[in-house]
Amino acid sequence: AQTVTQSQPEMSVQEAETVTLSCTYDTSESNYYLFWYKQPPSRQMILVIRQEAYKQQNATENRFSVNFQKAAKSFSLKISDSQLGDTAMYFCAFMSYNNNDMRFGAGTRLTVKP
Amino acid sequence: EPEVTQTPSHQVTQMGQEVILRCVPISNHLYFYWYRQILGQKVEFLVSFYNNEISEKSEIFDDQFSVERPDGSNFTLKIRSTKLEDSAMYFCASSDGTGLSMENEKLFFGSGTQLSVL
Repeated sequence: AQTVTQSQPEMSVQEAETVTLSCTYDTSESNYYLFWYKQPPSRQMILVIRQEAYKQQNATENRFSVNFQKAAKSFSLKISDSQLGDTAMYFCAFMSYNNNDMRFGAGTRLTVKP
Repeated sequence: EPEVTQTPSHQVTQMGQEVILRCVPISNHLYFYWYRQILGQKVEFLVSFYNNEISEKSEIFDDQFSVERPDGSNFTLKIRSTKLEDSAMYFCASSDGTGLSMENEKLFFGSGTQLSVL
């Protein structure tokens, strides 16, 4: 079974600085998707960024980018120019290409300080 | 490590039929949630449940949906008359609610039930 590990339960960063959230996963599959979701207090799950495993190029979305290391099974999220609105829980997630079996990590609570 | 468990992992049903998705939250948790993800789309919040009543629900959670905690361990989502567009992965989550505010709560997710409506 796939597992997703987020080893940082909590992190903080000063506004305008850069922070990196870690995520590792374990799978025997070769085709899959990886996601980072943001969950603000409203409880919505907001998709931040998505990476297809077959793509070597790291996904980017404005201030958000990932460092995808397939051999190491690592998928970290970098947030540049952190903003107060980035304060939230961040979940890393893995989805099998074959069966849509999605697994989430335990989450990292990020606090952006003014 | 304690985990949220969901059964079944896959369910196929005919349009118009009722389905019940089952979840066993982590035993000492007090807050329970359902989310869904339609294939290729984002994960969407459906409902949160605390103290035997719904505390929040989204616009998706209409009269066709209901939740129940029938005993001390299970948390169920019922869809009364399924539609094709109900086909999705449904995630259950729970939290212990011991944070001083909602912002401190941490959700643990189950692995999901894939619902296919034919």
